[in-house]
Order: sequence, then C-alpha cells, then structure tokens
Amino acid sequence: AQSVTQPDIHITVSEGASLELRCNYSYGATPYLFWYVQSPGQGLQLLLKYFSGDTLVQGIKGFEAEFKRSQSSFNLRKPSVHWSDAAEYFCAVGTGTASKLTFGTGTRLQVTL
Amino acid sequence: GAGVSQSPSNKVTEKGKDVELRCDPISGHTALYWYRQSLGQGLEFLIYFQGNSAPDKSGLPSDRFSAERTGGSVSTLTIQRTQQEDSAVYLCASSHPTGVEQYFGPGTRLTVT
Repeated sequence: AQSVTQPDIHITVSEGASLELRCNYSYGATPYLFWYVQSPGQGLQLLLKYFSGDTLVQGIKGFEAEFKRSQSSFNLRKPSVHWSDAAEYFCAVGTGTASKLTFGTGTRLQVTL
Repeated sequence: GAGVSQSPSNKVTEKGKDVELRCDPISGHTALYWYRQSLGQGLEFLIYFQGNSAPDKSGLPSDRFSAERTGGSVSTLTIQRTQQEDSAVYLCASSHPTGVEQYFGPGTRLTVT
C-alpha cells in the first residue's frame, strides 16, 4: 500500500522568503503525485501534479515541485512567499487514473510580515 | 456547475440520528470520491464511484456508513446512528474519465452532539 510522509507539521517563513515543503512517498511503481492547498474553512485546491515526463513541474500561484525517484520525494517550492500563501499544504499519492488518493498529514504554513 | 458542490455546508445532529450528505460533481466527471478529514485521522479515503458503481468501498469505517450515486451524477453519503467520533469534515471530489487529478468540493462539516 502507498503512503506519504510530510515531516514538517508547521513552518513559519517571512514574506518574500523562499519556501520548501517536504514530501516523501512510498509506492512500488511510478506514482501519481499531487500537492493541494487548503485555506481555513475551504476545500482542497490542486496546486500541481506529476505522473510522467519532466520531473520539475510548474503549478498555480508560482509553485513548483520536483520529483526525485531516487529519494522518493516530491518537494514543493516557491521562490518568494506572499502573505496570502498562509494555509495548509497536503501532498498526496495516487496509483493511476480513477484511483483513491493517500494524503500526508499536512504542513501548516505561517507567513510573517 | 463550475465546480464540485456539497450540501449542507454545516450539519449539527444529535448522537443516534441519521444524516445524509450530498455531493454534486463537475459535469462530465464520471469518477466521484468521498473523503473524511478529522483532527485525529487526517484525510481518509471512504469510497469511490465510477458511474453508479462503487468498485472501492474499502475506506468506509463501519456498516453505519453507506453511499449511493444515481444517474452517474449526484451522490449521497448516509451515516446511520451517528456517533461523536463521526464528527469531521466530509469532502467530495470528482475526476474526468481520462484524468488523474481530483477536484474537491468545499466539504460538509458534521458535528455530532
């Protein structure tokens, strides 16, 4: 069975600073990987996805993520954080088209001005 | 509609009562998923529909939980004899027949008193 680990429960960064959120997955075959963001009281919004091709993927809101098979990682990055990026971020793994997602426990991002 | 919709947005019920939660997926999305988000358990998969069939019910926590989907569209998640541990946010997602990404609704916050 697949699993996802997000080692950082809570991260605080200053506005304008760079950001990296860590995600490690466990799955025997090529995974389908996703990052979602959840603002308070809201549902999950898809930031970006990876399932083949270029291992550096671009998403919405200036986010990118890099798939590293050798490290079983899919870390999320942003060069310059904005105060509006404060939210909870979830990494998820799927096994193919129309498959359930397995989520990590989430990382709460706080942005200081 | 433009996105996945869920109703009600909030539901407070007394222990022992039955509740029904509704999900209306994005038009044309044949796959529909239910997840539960709670403080203690994070985001958990409950059930997946492809059309009106549910090939994966593995996440339903007990036989008090059931779900159906009619006309390949709207789905209802029913919880019978609710317990306090059922308190959570119930999220619905849908995906395109050939897509891998899931699009989430805003969720229904269920509180069992």
